[in-house]
Amino acid sequence: EVQLVESGGGLVQPGGSLRLSCAASGFTVSSNYMSWVRQAPGKGLEWVSVIYSGGSTYYADSVKGRFTISRDNSKNTLYLQMNSLRAEDTAVYYCARDESGGGGFDPWGQGTLVTVSS
Amino acid sequence: QSALTQPASVSGSPGQSITISCTGTSSDVGSYNLVSWYQQHPGKAPKLMIYEVSKRPSGVSNRFSGSKSGNTASLTISGLQAEDEADYYCCSYAGSSTPWVFGGGTKLTVL
Repeated sequence: EVQLVESGGGLVQPGGSLRLSCAASGFTVSSNYMSWVRQAPGKGLEWVSVIYSGGSTYYADSVKGRFTISRDNSKNTLYLQMNSLRAEDTAVYYCARDESGGGGFDPWGQGTLVTVSS
Repeated sequence: QSALTQPASVSGSPGQSITISCTGTSSDVGSYNLVSWYQQHPGKAPKLMIYEVSKRPSGVSNRFSGSKSGNTASLTISGLQAEDEADYYCCSYAGSSTPWVFGGGTKLTVL
């Protein structure tokens, strides 16, 4: 079964750091385009970052320079390193696969909540 | 990159058809046939319903269909059912620097 399981969310103070993990099963992370998408409480979806199968990475302007997407092929796991966190980064963070490269994100993980507050 | 524009809410009665619009620009929706649609029930992860404008993943009901004209994409749900009540989001490719942009979401109410 193709599945994604996120972990690593929690409460962090403004200016702090957090690393999210997304463990994949049923497929190979490194052979797919993988994205992070977030959803602030009561708000819509916001695309955050993507890592392509070739290793290229891209970010939304709102997180550029603060967040880093990466993967560990030996663990078949995707990561999102989040630094200099702000209150507006508070959201549920989802990882998702884009198998065709055409933007059809499927599947999605269950999400992990990141709360940035003092 | 600005979010795509969707109506905040739409509604319909069981058995009816509804259409949700998703308006972008010539830099995203208008330039690429890479529009996808997602259904999200409260407290759940989004689910892919349509990709590449009009393709349906395996397991998605054929009551869901997608189309595009110019800078506007549309999701049509026919034969509305109670379980279709959810939030719906569109997403489009927007170029190589910041590849993906979502719409603000539309709340579908089945009356």
